[in-house]
Amino acid sequence: QLLEQSPQFLSIQEGENLTVYCNSSSVFSSLQWYRQEPGEGPVLLIALYKAGELTSNGRLTAQFGITRKDSFLNISASIPSDVGIYFCAGRGGSNYKLTFGKGTLLTVNP
Amino acid sequence: NAGVTQTPKFQVLKTGQSMTLQCAQDMNHEYMSWYRQDPGMGLRLIHYSVGAGITDQGEVPNGYNVSRSTTEDFPLRLLLAAPSQTSVYFCASSPTPEAEKLFFGSGTQLSVL
Repeated sequence: QLLEQSPQFLSIQEGENLTVYCNSSSVFSSLQWYRQEPGEGPVLLIALYKAGELTSNGRLTAQFGITRKDSFLNISASIPSDVGIYFCAGRGGSNYKLTFGKGTLLTVNP
Repeated sequence: NAGVTQTPKFQVLKTGQSMTLQCAQDMNHEYMSWYRQDPGMGLRLIHYSVGAGITDQGEVPNGYNVSRSTTEDFPLRLLLAAPSQTSVYFCASSPTPEAEKLFFGSGTQLSVL
């Protein structure tokens, strides 16, 4: 079960909106978005459970695709502290393994 | 509130040496796991455990051993370190195997020369 993320790198100006995408050929029972700051472990931002589900957490909005094979994460009005690596992660079938995408490195220029 | 604690923070090994990366959690979580993070590769699961005495392999288990004798601790052993094992290692836990939120430690940066 592979999760493809795009873009791999993203550099934007403070105040801009951005979207990160996650796609797979496999079906996932749930999908999550994490953010990793330099020198730290990833931290959960949003978890998605239902097909088509749209969930918000402050300036962050994420949706789980109807087919349960894709998702996007949108960040509005970016600020410098949004920098980091954003990962999508999916749990498939009946196993306990969480598969991570390769990540999107975000930089926000003041 | 310690959460997930990993030691050491940094380690340098020579090829062929052995070492144990320590991971402890104080949240009484059933599920614990080890990931390695390499540039451009994301996080890859090495081994995981759904409870004391129960462990299973992830996607990149070769060269690593684990055991889970207590709920709190989940050490990762490298028996014969190789340069290919140079990476940043993260331990993560969750209340149950099905729980969606993983709590990560702050990582161990390992270099094998």
